[in-house]
Amino acid sequence: DTGVSQNPRHKITKRGQNVTFRCDPISEHNRLYWYRQTLGQGPEFLTYFQNEAQLEKSRLLSDRFSAERPKGSFSTLEIQRTEQGDSAMYLCASSLGDRGRGEKLFFGSGTQLSVL
Amino acid sequence: AQKVTQAQTEISVVEKEDVTLDCVYETRDTTYYLFWYKQPPSGELVFLIRRNSFDEQNEISGRYSWNFQKSTSSFNFTITASQVVDSAVYFCALSYGNQFYFGTGTSLTVIP
Repeated sequence: DTGVSQNPRHKITKRGQNVTFRCDPISEHNRLYWYRQTLGQGPEFLTYFQNEAQLEKSRLLSDRFSAERPKGSFSTLEIQRTEQGDSAMYLCASSLGDRGRGEKLFFGSGTQLSVL
Repeated sequence: AQKVTQAQTEISVVEKEDVTLDCVYETRDTTYYLFWYKQPPSGELVFLIRRNSFDEQNEISGRYSWNFQKSTSSFNFTITASQVVDSAVYFCALSYGNQFYFGTGTSLTVIP
């Protein structure tokens, strides 16, 4: 399978716990994005990486959120001290990063987080 | 500021009917890209089409067609002879720079 892979598909946690999600992009893609999607809404940008460098972060990404992409391959998104408002689908996408040319994003199936 | 509006929250049609999904966007930029993505129940957004701001030519791909009109800032999507497999949430998106701005989506249900 050469698509974007996300793990786990579902995560249920208690408020205050830390959670970590993983994304494996398409192997030749140098850009990786994280989005958050809540029910009835479109995906909202969180952050993106060009290779291993995190180049942009949304104001939605509070200090409790951290993302890494070591070696420019897979990425992890960690949420510390989860809150009920963090409950959402977290989507990962990757692209070839052809900047300025309307790059097409390839999405994974997402990780559905439920904070109790 | 960039904004995408999909006023239709939910649409239901009977199989084989045609259906048009509306998308209106706002941007002050002259160079931008517009997209349509399909999100089936499995959750993965699937790319359907990309259009740049300098190309207003309409496009047809099988049962799908897109109408891009800069004068009205619209990028509408029509499915001809709808099928049950078309049931999904469809998102219109505007790309500028490194970000995508998605609309709130239109949930399409095709009734057999």
